[in-house]
Amino acid sequence: DVKVTQSSRYLVKRTGEKVFLECVQDMDHENMFWYRQDPGLGLRLIYFSYDVKMKEKGDIPEGYSVSREKKERFSLILESASTNQTSMYLCASSLMASGAQYEQYFGPGTRLTVT
Amino acid sequence: AQSVTQLDSHVSVSEGTPVLLRCNYSSSYSPSLFWYVQHPNKGLQLLLKYTSAATLVKGINGFEAEFKKSETSFHLTKPSAHMSDAAEYFCVVTRRNDKIIFGKGTRLHILP
Repeated sequence: DVKVTQSSRYLVKRTGEKVFLECVQDMDHENMFWYRQDPGLGLRLIYFSYDVKMKEKGDIPEGYSVSREKKERFSLILESASTNQTSMYLCASSLMASGAQYEQYFGPGTRLTVT
Repeated sequence: AQSVTQLDSHVSVSEGTPVLLRCNYSSSYSPSLFWYVQHPNKGLQLLLKYTSAATLVKGINGFEAEFKKSETSFHLTKPSAHMSDAAEYFCVVTRRNDKIIFGKGTRLHILP
């Protein structure tokens, strides 16, 4: 079974702090994704990566950055956390071959509260 | 451009009755379509997927979905609801070399 793990289930940070959310997958997937999920807005893509050291902006990248130094690990960074970044953050990974998108495997999520 | 619309934000059914969660999509080329389920405070889990093989797709936990190209629909059904089916369900569309698009979700409530 594919396993995607996230470093924390719950996190409370103060405004202005630098926040790191870590995601690790164990299936050698090329693609990794970070989403945030808010009531009524569904899942919104923040960033994704299709290879080591490669990254692409998603729909809402402002206020976030990412790092992918190893294939299995994809980090989301909030440089200076703000209260409007309070949300559920979901990491996912997937295979991609010949341009075809395969199903995503999700981690359990990190519920971040910024006070 | 691709898009996906889940027609109901909330659906309530009684335990033991059929479930229908509706999803319409828009895609210029042959899409891949997925349904995911999310139980409270959990990540998303794949229920089933359509990738241009059989149009009737069977998934886990008794769910199935039918790809209808003429109606651009991919509705999720289950013959008999169980209390454990209470969750949020997401319809997803993608295609080769293109973005993955999530629907806004449908929250399924099961009445005893």
